[in-house]
Amino acid sequence: KAGVTQTPRYLIKTRGQQVTLSCSPISGHRSVSWYQQTPGQGLQFLFEYFSETQRNKGNFPGRFSGRQFSNSRSEMNVSTLELGDSALYLCASSLGLNGETQYFGPGTRLLVL
Amino acid sequence: AQSVTQLDSHVSVSEGTPVLLRCNYSSSYSPSLFWYVQHPNKGLQLLLKYTSAATLVKGINGFEAEFKKSETSFHLTKPSAHMSDAAEYFCVVSVSSGTYKYIFGTGTRLKVLA
Repeated sequence: KAGVTQTPRYLIKTRGQQVTLSCSPISGHRSVSWYQQTPGQGLQFLFEYFSETQRNKGNFPGRFSGRQFSNSRSEMNVSTLELGDSALYLCASSLGLNGETQYFGPGTRLLVL
Repeated sequence: AQSVTQLDSHVSVSEGTPVLLRCNYSSSYSPSLFWYVQHPNKGLQLLLKYTSAATLVKGINGFEAEFKKSETSFHLTKPSAHMSDAAEYFCVVSVSSGTYKYIFGTGTRLKVLA
């Protein structure tokens, strides 16, 4: 079974731009979570989607948004990029919402200049 | 409040010697606990998980962890370190407060010396 895939793997943007990251979960998994990983803050939860609905949200500004499609694929968008948004963005999928194991993708490395 | 504490930010061991990475958790309920490993510029890979079955959990690559409720600990061990074990390790507790949420420890960077 294929694992979680994320595209693109690397991205360079400038301040003020927006970016969209994509995540394809493991086949059959319906829940997708997004995390931001930085050296200073570690791993921080962004949001979780299940059945095209946001079920859980972390403490991030409204510039960070996401969505999930009917095939469980998910995208996250960051608008008006700031230097501090430079990070590794990780996507994880799980079967459902009952605390099942999350399986992580390789991440998208975003650099904001 | 639910939380997880990794007691060491860095651990160095010599190749062939035992590994011990320490994790303490705080949870009002019976938690699900996980250990993940992250190699440089990679995503997180599941090493093992505890979900209230056997307290000694065996994972991949020779790692195991023991759930000790009385000590609220879930330490990760390996009898003999290999150079390829050098990575960052995260202890995670899955908690429910209406919805489930993963709470990550701050990570322990393991260095293996030749």
